[in-house]
Parts: sequence; C-alpha cells; structure tokens
Amino acid sequence: AQRVTQPEKLLSVFKGAPVELKCNYSYSGSPELFWYVQYSRQRLQLLLRHISRESIKGFTADLNKGETSFHLKKPFAQEEDSAMYYCALRPGGNTGKLIFGQGTTLQVKP
Amino acid sequence: DAGVIQSPRHEVTEMGQEVTLRCKPISGHNSLFWYRQTMMRGLELLIYFNNNVPIDDSGMPEDRFSAKMPNASFSTLKIQPSEPRDSAVYFCASSLGNSPLHFGNGTRLTVT
Repeated sequence: AQRVTQPEKLLSVFKGAPVELKCNYSYSGSPELFWYVQYSRQRLQLLLRHISRESIKGFTADLNKGETSFHLKKPFAQEEDSAMYYCALRPGGNTGKLIFGQGTTLQVKP
Repeated sequence: DAGVIQSPRHEVTEMGQEVTLRCKPISGHNSLFWYRQTMMRGLELLIYFNNNVPIDDSGMPEDRFSAKMPNASFSTLKIQPSEPRDSAVYFCASSLGNSPLHFGNGTRLTVT
C-alpha cells in the first residue's frame, strides 16, 4: 500500500528552537518525496523535493530509505514558519499524482 | 503566469443544490488534479487527468461527484446533489510531466 504518515497533528515550539517534522512512507518501489507548506488560508506551495537536495528557508530534508522516512528539519525556528506542512509521495510509473500525509501544523511561539 | 486559477473562492449553498467548481491550469501543463482538504482527512486526491483524459477517479467519493476536462485549459468538478458532509476546501493542481504540482488557491465550499 502507498501511504504517507505524519504522526504529529500539531507541533509547538518557541522561536529559535530546533524543529523536526516527521514523515514516514510506505511504498515498495523508489518514491519521490516532497514537502509542501500552506500558510494560513493560502495555496499549498512546494517547499522541498528530495531529488533537489537543497535548503529552502533554512529547511532541509533527507530521504532515509532504510527507515522509510523524510523528516523536515530546521535548526532555528522563526515565527513566520508557522504553517501547515504536508509530506507527499509520488509513486513511480510516471503517474504524476501525489499522495499526501495528514499534515502537521507548526506553531512557533515568540 | 497567473498560476492555477480556481473559481469561485467561496461557495455557500443549500443541501440538494448543484455545485460546480472551476479550474484553469497553468498553460502548457498536461496533468490536472482535484484534491479535497478537510480537517479530519487532510488532503485527498479525488481525480486526475493526463492530457485531458481521466486517469484515476478512484478517490471520487460517490456518484454525486463528477469531473470533466473538455480541453487543456479548463476543468470542472460538479457535485449534484450537494450534502453538508461535502463541505471542504477543494484544490485544483496542475503539472507538466513529473514536475512538482502547482496548486490553486482553492474553493471553500459550505453546504448548509
């Protein structure tokens, strides 16, 4: 079965604290993994994709195939990082579709 | 590019009425996706099209839901008759090949 699990519905941290948003996936092939961010009542925007191996807004994510995880990390959270974060998996086979996790709301307190 | 354009932004209707949501994908994109977002279930894929052809509609909840893509620049999602449990935010997204999905601003549907 193809599934993405984000175990935390809400993660609350203080400004300047490290952040780790967890994402685990279930897929038998070689997936492509993404993180999307949704600021309050706005559209979903692409934050990261694992094949790019880049850092956006200070966030990084590493694909760990052994643990089937793609956790999103940032060493020092900022208040403007407060948003909903979705982890997504694109199965192979050129389907194009994304399977999303339930999402985690990140709340960064001053 | 204006991005993916959805209309209306908000729709309030009474149970039993027909609702039509509209989407204009990014020009040149060949795949279009309809997602539904709720607090309980998160983002669910309803249906997606490739080159205007429906590829996977297994996420469409029931026969009350239908989607069409008559040409490369327009798609509709119709609910007839609507029910209160259909209340959600409906997102349209488009992509080219295996590029990342680009989402519209969504339509917030409230069925009373």
